Amino acid sequence: AQSVTQLGSHVSVSEGALVLLRCNYSSSVPPYLFWYVQYPNQGLQLLLKYTSAATLVKGINGFEAEFKKSETSFHLTKPSAHMSDAAEYFCAVMGGKLIFGQGTELSVKP
Amino acid sequence: SAVISQKPSRDICQRGTSLTIQCQVDSQVTMMFWYRQQPGQSLTLIATANQGSEATYESGFVIDKFPISRPNLTFSTLTVSNLSPEDSSIYLCSVEEDGTAGANVLTFGAGSRLTVL
Repeated sequence: AQSVTQLGSHVSVSEGALVLLRCNYSSSVPPYLFWYVQYPNQGLQLLLKYTSAATLVKGINGFEAEFKKSETSFHLTKPSAHMSDAAEYFCAVMGGKLIFGQGTELSVKP
Repeated sequence: SAVISQKPSRDICQRGTSLTIQCQVDSQVTMMFWYRQQPGQSLTLIATANQGSEATYESGFVIDKFPISRPNLTFSTLTVSNLSPEDSSIYLCSVEEDGTAGANVLTFGAGSRLTVL
């Protein structure tokens, strides 16, 4: 069965600092992986997806994620955090259905 | 991408009653999904709704509690029956859209926030 694990339910960074949100996956087949963002009182918005075309995937709002098969990881990064990045971030794997991780709440301090 | 409208956006209901949530999509889609997001939790798939067939429910969810209709390719409803405080959650509708390289993408509505007193 496929699954994802997000390390850290809450991450806090200063504005302008690097954002690193961790996601590890478990899959017996090459996975399709996704990162979604949920702003307060809103639905989910797709940030980026991995489809095996390229290991480094660029998404919206300056986010990117790197697929590392050897580490079974798909961590999300952004070089410089902005206050507007404060939200809940979900990693997900497609395994017949979309399976979500537990989510990581990102706080950005001024 | 598809635009999804959910109604109501939020509601407060008394225990023992039912709430029906509507999901309208601006384009025809084959696959529609209903998710539940309990307070502080991740998303859990309730069921998959395909037009012209009965919904397929995930383990732990039953049709009597969560009846779903899918009358056409742009609309679906989810009813949460016999409400209890444990049903207080955000319910999200999503649709599957064709993506590049075979990776279909789910697009989500804004959600319906239910509070049961």
